Amino acid sequence: DAKTTQPPSMDCAEGRAANLPCNHSTISGNEYVYWYRQIHSQGPQYIIHGLKNNETNEMASLIITEDRKSSTLILPHATLRDTAVYYCIVSEAGNNRKLIWGLGTSLAVNP
Amino acid sequence: NAGVMQNPRHLVRRRGQEARLRCSPMKGHSHVYWYRQLPEEGLKFMVYLQKENIIDESGMPKERFSAEFPKEGPSILRIQQVVRGDSAAYFCASSRTGGTGMNTEAFFGQGTRLTVV
Repeated sequence: DAKTTQPPSMDCAEGRAANLPCNHSTISGNEYVYWYRQIHSQGPQYIIHGLKNNETNEMASLIITEDRKSSTLILPHATLRDTAVYYCIVSEAGNNRKLIWGLGTSLAVNP
Repeated sequence: NAGVMQNPRHLVRRRGQEARLRCSPMKGHSHVYWYRQLPEEGLKFMVYLQKENIIDESGMPKERFSAEFPKEGPSILRIQQVVRGDSAAYFCASSRTGGTGMNTEAFFGQGTRLTVV
């Protein structure tokens, strides 16, 4: 079973920030938080991952709470092409075999 | 830099036939992972391979399914005597390393959609 809990769906207006929450209250000390997304009928796309510090790259920012029990993925200026299912996964770094995928959050970016 | 390449994108097989799915990892990647996704579900891990070796096949059914990643050429996921329940999207991912830290994130192909009729 997935170790994360995400809302099943969210809406966001185009151009606004999309904040996608994820709860992972049972995360262990050596587990990272990974975010992937899957646009309809395509393969999953890696977005970002982090351990305990906040991370930012060209796609998104990842905010992890101090107790590491939850995190938020931020898409700063959502576009229509960001409409996808977003998956939050906790896993040991490099343990791609153990990526346990839940049902994710279906994000709809509206014009 | 080409991404992970999977072919075919769509495959139709009759019950009892064999399905062969191919995956070419990204350049410089020697770790390959196969996942299966049923409609309206998340991905399920099947098998992890490193060149010529199966590292972890704990997610793969014991019968009819096999995988290989030869020294030369793509990784192959083979399903013998397919049944309707094998209909799914099969995704391959690759990573540069399998350890910890940098370069461990997995990059996915576009998948092969297998339909068994």
